[in-house]
Amino acid sequence: AQTVTQSQPEMSVQEAETVTLSCTYDTSESDYYLFWYKQPPSRQMILVIRQEAYKQQNATENRFSVNFQKAAKSFSLKISDSQLGDAAMYFCAYRSEGSDRGSTLGRLYFGRGTQLTVWP
Amino acid sequence: DTGVSQNPRHKITKRGQNVTFRCDPISEHNRLYWYRQTLGQGPEFLTYFQNEAQLEKSRLLSDRFSAERPKGSFSTLEIQRTEQGDSAMYLCASSLEGGWETQYFGPGTRLLVL
Repeated sequence: AQTVTQSQPEMSVQEAETVTLSCTYDTSESDYYLFWYKQPPSRQMILVIRQEAYKQQNATENRFSVNFQKAAKSFSLKISDSQLGDAAMYFCAYRSEGSDRGSTLGRLYFGRGTQLTVWP
Repeated sequence: DTGVSQNPRHKITKRGQNVTFRCDPISEHNRLYWYRQTLGQGPEFLTYFQNEAQLEKSRLLSDRFSAERPKGSFSTLEIQRTEQGDSAMYLCASSLEGGWETQYFGPGTRLLVL
């Protein structure tokens, strides 16, 4: 089974600074998707950014970017120009990809999360 | 598109009682997932529907748990004879088959079993 590890239970950053959240995963598959989700306190989980394993180019969404190292099975999230609204729990997630659409490859495997605090 | 909705948002029950949660996915999404999230943990997969067919159940889903998705629309998750260990946040997500299949999550139902 796939496992996702987030080794930083908590991180903090000063407003306007940059922070990087780490994520590693274990898989024997060659094709898969990786996601970062954000879960603000008492609010629902929302997608921050996603990456396809077969794409070498790192995904970018405004202030959010990833450093995807397939060989190292690493998928870190960089938040630039941090804002107070970025404070949340961040989850890294893995999803298999396959040709069998009737299979259960759609499930997400989550890490335990990193709680990000943003200081003014 | 009003997003994924879940009801109730909070549920407090006594041990041994039955509870039922409802999830309304994004209307055009044919896949629906249930996850459970306990304090300090990431969400864990429980079960998954493609249209009305339940295609997989996790080992976490004991025989006290049952889920349905009649007509491939909303879904219900029932827990019979609740135990204190069932206390958790129950999350529902939906996706559209094909491509990214990004899962969009609802706000969750927080269950407390006394």
